[in-house]
Amino acid sequence: QSVLTQTPSASGTPGQRVTISCSGSSSNIGSNYVYWYQQLPGTAPKLLIYRNNQRPSGVPDRFSGSRSGTSASLAISGLRSEDEADYYCAAWDDSLSGYVFGTGTKVTVV
Amino acid sequence: EVQLVESGGGLVQPGGSLRLSCAASGFNFSDYSMNWVRQAPGKGLEWIYYISSSSGSIYYADSVKGRFTISRDNARNSLFLQMDSLRAEDTAVYYCARDAYNFVGFDYWGQGTLVTVSS
Repeated sequence: QSVLTQTPSASGTPGQRVTISCSGSSSNIGSNYVYWYQQLPGTAPKLLIYRNNQRPSGVPDRFSGSRSGTSASLAISGLRSEDEADYYCAAWDDSLSGYVFGTGTKVTVV
Repeated sequence: EVQLVESGGGLVQPGGSLRLSCAASGFNFSDYSMNWVRQAPGKGLEWIYYISSSSGSIYYADSVKGRFTISRDNARNSLFLQMDSLRAEDTAVYYCARDAYNFVGFDYWGQGTLVTVSS
């Protein structure tokens, strides 16, 4: 059972902005960095955002992350068909002494 | 080029054992902490194990406590996951993932290896 809660799905048309939320608690998001991973169909996850809002090299600036209190969000602006994927938030949890992943959000480009 | 290649997956009966390996190349393996993450069919990601670069710190999820063991051999650039007392709910794709410095996250992942626990 995932400790971080995400809305199961989100959708948008090409060019739109989509926001994905991730809800946690004081022991994870509230006190540790948030990471976001993108998983394209049939592939391994890929790091998208680290330290709440930093992008690894090669990740388009259309992707942005933020954290406020015990919640975090990932925004995708200028939505493109290749953004269709599952997105997961993650954080270290001090109470569990381990990483926790979100439940995942499937983004569909309609 | 950084590469992580898992192997050792397969079909095993409930109660059986399996040992997964993750071969690392393209970076100084002994400098990095590593993790195992699994994904049951059609489900989300579940972190299960962390091991520090020197094996001095190990953390694990409650779901594998007492049944799975992580280890590494820095001389062989390899990460391992010994899985005992396997259950049907352990059926998943198992990924190894590199834990980057300075809270940069899991920056490289292997392609995964499928473990199926079934009679």
